[in-house]
Amino acid sequence: AQRVTQPEKLLSVFKGAPVELKCNYSYSGSPELFWYVQYSRQRLQLLLRHISRESIKGFTADLNKGETSFHLKKPFAQEEDSAMYYCALSGSGAGSYQLTFGKGTKLSVIP
Amino acid sequence: EAGVTQFPSHSVIEKGQTVTLRCDPISGHDNLYWYRRVMGKEIKFLLHFVKESKQDESGMPNNRFLAERTGGTYSTLKVQPAELEDSGVYFCASSQSPIGSYNEQFFGPGTRLTVL
Repeated sequence: AQRVTQPEKLLSVFKGAPVELKCNYSYSGSPELFWYVQYSRQRLQLLLRHISRESIKGFTADLNKGETSFHLKKPFAQEEDSAMYYCALSGSGAGSYQLTFGKGTKLSVIP
Repeated sequence: EAGVTQFPSHSVIEKGQTVTLRCDPISGHDNLYWYRRVMGKEIKFLLHFVKESKQDESGMPNNRFLAERTGGTYSTLKVQPAELEDSGVYFCASSQSPIGSYNEQFFGPGTRLTVL
């Protein structure tokens, strides 16, 4: 069965400090990994996906197949980064598009 | 262009009543998904439409839930009769037909359902 684990329910950091939101997954095959973000009073939106290998809003995430992890990192946290962050995966084969989410981590950036 | 819209934003009903949630996907998106987040739990997949056909309904919790997408445009999710454990936030998402494995899903704001 596929599963996504986000061990931290809440993460508080000071502005300017580095941030790492942890995500581990289990999936038999090659999944596609995503980070979704939900800012206060906004809808869930895609932040980044592993195959694009890009940096969005200063965030990066590297897929580590050996450790089955997809941690989200940012070197210097900003107040506007405060939000709920969800790690998610989907299958990479045809017809396997449903997303499996972790429980989410609430990031609070302290000014 | 408007994103995915959902109606109502909130619904409070009594146990045993019926509620119908509606989702309007982004125009041109063939794929439509329903998800649910029950308090304290993760967002869970309910089902997936491709146009008007149910591609995958493995996440539907039981036969009190009925989803339709007549004409391949908007979708409804009916809960009949509602139970206390159905309370939560119901999300709808849509996506274009995947190219390879590309599958960005765009989410609606959700409908918060409270069953008393």
